[in-house]
Amino acid sequence: EVQLVESGGGLVQPGGSLRLSCAASGLTFSGYWMNWVRQAPGKGLEWVATISSDGSQKYYVDSVKGRFTFSRDNTKNSLYLQMNSLRAEDTAVYYCARETRRRLDCWGQGTLVTVSS
Amino acid sequence: DIVMTQSPDSLTVSLGERATINCKSSQSVLDNSNNKNYLIWYQQKPGQPPKVLISWASTRESGVPDRFSGSGSGTDFTLTISSLQAEDVAVYYCQQYYGSPPWTFGQGTKVEIK
Repeated sequence: EVQLVESGGGLVQPGGSLRLSCAASGLTFSGYWMNWVRQAPGKGLEWVATISSDGSQKYYVDSVKGRFTFSRDNTKNSLYLQMNSLRAEDTAVYYCARETRRRLDCWGQGTLVTVSS
Repeated sequence: DIVMTQSPDSLTVSLGERATINCKSSQSVLDNSNNKNYLIWYQQKPGQPPKVLISWASTRESGVPDRFSGSGSGTDFTLTISSLQAEDVAVYYCQQYYGSPPWTFGQGTKVEIK
């Protein structure tokens, strides 16, 4: 069974940093493109970032470019989202999700990031 | 960027009745080279992550009940629940996966029981 487990969320002050992790199991991790999607409280889904299977290609939504860095370690079956210069509008549940055939077919349960003073 | 607009924002339907959700993209998501529409429908129940219902605009995922169907092409798409069940109460999202990122979602449609 494929499992994605996010961690690293919490309360951080505006301007602060946080590093999210996503641990994957039950899949050949290095064969998949992976994504982060976020959902602000009571709001809809927003795609945040995508990383290629080997980590060489990365794409970001405009609102996080230059502040967030998406990386992966295929030896540890893990994803990382380094989030710097955090803003109140970054407050959300962050999901990692596997991409297969141009759809997000497997999601973690999410980790909550709250940016507040 | 492709903007996805769903309608309505919310829908109240009686058990056993039909529910119809529309999704419109600001530009075509049809790839004429393979005749595929890069349009996905997700279902999100309270407290849960989203789940893929339909891919390529009309291909139902394995295990998804056949009361769910997707249709449309180009810029206009529809998700239909033919006979609403209590377990279908959820928010439904469309997402486009055409070309290169950003992959954008519609704002969501909340489906409730009348």
